[in-house]
Parts: sequence; structure tokens; C-alpha cells
Amino acid sequence: AQSVTQLDSQVPVFEEAPVELRCNYSSSVSVYLFWYVQYPNQGLQLLLKYLSGSTLVKGINGFEAEFNKSQTSFHLRKPSVHISDTAEYFCAVRRSFNKFYFGSGTKLNVKP
Amino acid sequence: DGGITQSPKYLFRKEGQNVTLSCEQNLNHDAMYWYRQDPGQGLRLIYYSQIVNDFQKGDIAEGYSVSREKKESFPLTVTSAQKNPTAFYLCASSMQREIGELFFGEGSRLTVL
Repeated sequence: AQSVTQLDSQVPVFEEAPVELRCNYSSSVSVYLFWYVQYPNQGLQLLLKYLSGSTLVKGINGFEAEFNKSQTSFHLRKPSVHISDTAEYFCAVRRSFNKFYFGSGTKLNVKP
Repeated sequence: DGGITQSPKYLFRKEGQNVTLSCEQNLNHDAMYWYRQDPGQGLRLIYYSQIVNDFQKGDIAEGYSVSREKKESFPLTVTSAQKNPTAFYLCASSMQREIGELFFGEGSRLTVL
């Protein structure tokens, strides 16, 4: 069963424009959600995480995400992107202590 | 600085040869993982280990083997039985007793010629 869905494989956007990368997960009683960024030929770096508490989560590099339980979504947003934000972004869910599921990734291409 | 070290970064091998990828962590994490990444497919779990001398198969374990003789080390062997071994391999670790994120190494890119 698909646990995490990233509908957009590629998102082109102009520099300084806002961006939203979409992530939907399969409903579960307990859910822990993450966004990672990957630059070419590098490992994944954590942008932000939702474990509990406030549904609006702020991360590094000006990114934020909102946990929406009713819509089973965890979309990533940034109000103004930079060229340096060009990378691939992965949404992930942790179902138990050792089970992580990743989406197929969204390539963000920021154009000057 | 604490982190995960993978080596080598790039590796070329001929078909039919076994290859071992190294993964070492100094984060004192109990759990370690190996993922395979192919373009457009996200990350797929190969093996994971929750404790020394114990490991479990992930979704695509066929053609791979691992060992966990030390807490800090979790090497992955890509055997000749793996039909399509060319890929980017990522090692990760996490805390066992607390809910948190995965920490990743920088990856190893294996190309089989």
C-alpha cells in the first residue's frame, strides 16, 4: 500500500515566487511526518518534521509545512524561493519505530 | 562532529563481482538502514538493523547481504545475484527509543560495467 504520495514529480518556479510542494499520506492513528531535501549526488538533509503539537511546522532555509489531519496532507511551502533551493524534495512518514516510507520525490527547479 | 560516513563515494565494478559498501556512524544510534535510490522511484529499503547481530530484510533485499557486528558499522554487500545493481545507495540511522528522524550519509554511487 502506498503510504506517501507526492503528486508533482517536477515543479518549475521563478526566483522570488512562492512555492508549494504537495504531500499526502495514508491515514493512520499515529503519524510522524518529515520533509527532506537532496542536492545532486548527496544524502538527504532534514528540512522539518511534525511529531506532535502545532500543526504549522517551521524548518530550515525558510521552509514551513502544515499538518492537515482531515485531508491527510503535509504540504511544504516557501514564500519566496532562491536559485539555491533547486533540489529534490522528499516527503516521508514514520509509522513505527523502524518503518519509514518515502514519496517518489519532487524536483524543484528555480529559474532566474 | 557526529554523523554517518559512507565509503566509497563512487565505485565501478564489472558484472559478476561482489561489492561491499561501508557505513559507519558515531551518533550512538541503535537502528541503521540501507536504502537504494533510482531516478523517479524515491527510496526503497534494502535492509535494516535494530540491534547488533540482528537485521531484517526490507522491500528489495534480494541480491544484497548485510552484517551488524558492531553498533557503529553496517556494511552492505551487493552480490552478483543482484540483477540491476547500478544505483545510488544511502545509509541511514535513527534512535531506537525515541520517535525522530532518519540521519543520512552522503551516499555511494555504484556503477556496474
